[in-house]
Amino acid sequence: QLHLHESGPGLVKPSETLSLTCTVSGGSISSSTYYWGWIRQPPGKGLEWIGSIYYSGSTYYHPSLKSRVTISVDTSTNQFSLKLSSVTAADTAVYYCARHGLVTGTVTTWGPAGWGQGTLVTVSS
Amino acid sequence: DVVMTQSPLSLPVTLGQPASISCRSSQSLVYSDGNTYLNWFQQRPGQSPRRLIYKVSNRDSGVPDRFSGSGSGTDFTLKISRVEAEDVGVYYCMQGTHWPWTFGQGTKVEIK
Repeated sequence: QLHLHESGPGLVKPSETLSLTCTVSGGSISSSTYYWGWIRQPPGKGLEWIGSIYYSGSTYYHPSLKSRVTISVDTSTNQFSLKLSSVTAADTAVYYCARHGLVTGTVTTWGPAGWGQGTLVTVSS
Repeated sequence: DVVMTQSPLSLPVTLGQPASISCRSSQSLVYSDGNTYLNWFQQRPGQSPRRLIYKVSNRDSGVPDRFSGSGSGTDFTLKISRVEAEDVGVYYCMQGTHWPWTFGQGTKVEIK
């Protein structure tokens, strides 16, 4: 059974870099079928897709975050990671990692069927 | 970005009664392959979101058949035929047709 687990600091100072890792178990991150994504949810608010990565390293980033986001994958440890630089209080959110499919050759998805439990990251000095 | 607009934002429902949530997109969600990548998620209090419906009307494994999705183009609906206590939570529509993929604001379902 697929399990995704986010880990990383729960508190990050303004202007610093937020770093999170998602550990995948019960499935291979090298699967040709799936992409691996990061989605966030500010407290009391809705969901925002940050970006996604394929095991080969191919990535899609939300245009509004593209200048600050890096998503990477490590197939040897079955993990993928998120880095978000120059954070502000507006980046305070629960960050979820997720697995989703993608229509071959497109940027079209039917959404994540597997999610991690989420981790709250607070940006504050 | 495609804007997803849900209504109502709050939905008090009596147990055993039906519920309906509307989701409208700012542009058509029909992709060039003929499919429509409109999906529905349930987020129970304190939990991660869970996908209920994908591509408008396909129920995920384990989702009770009281949940159904319908619609086309820019107008979509999630229906619960008879609300149960475990259905309390926030429901989100999400479009996966146009990057960046976007979610609706959420509809909070509560028991009267």
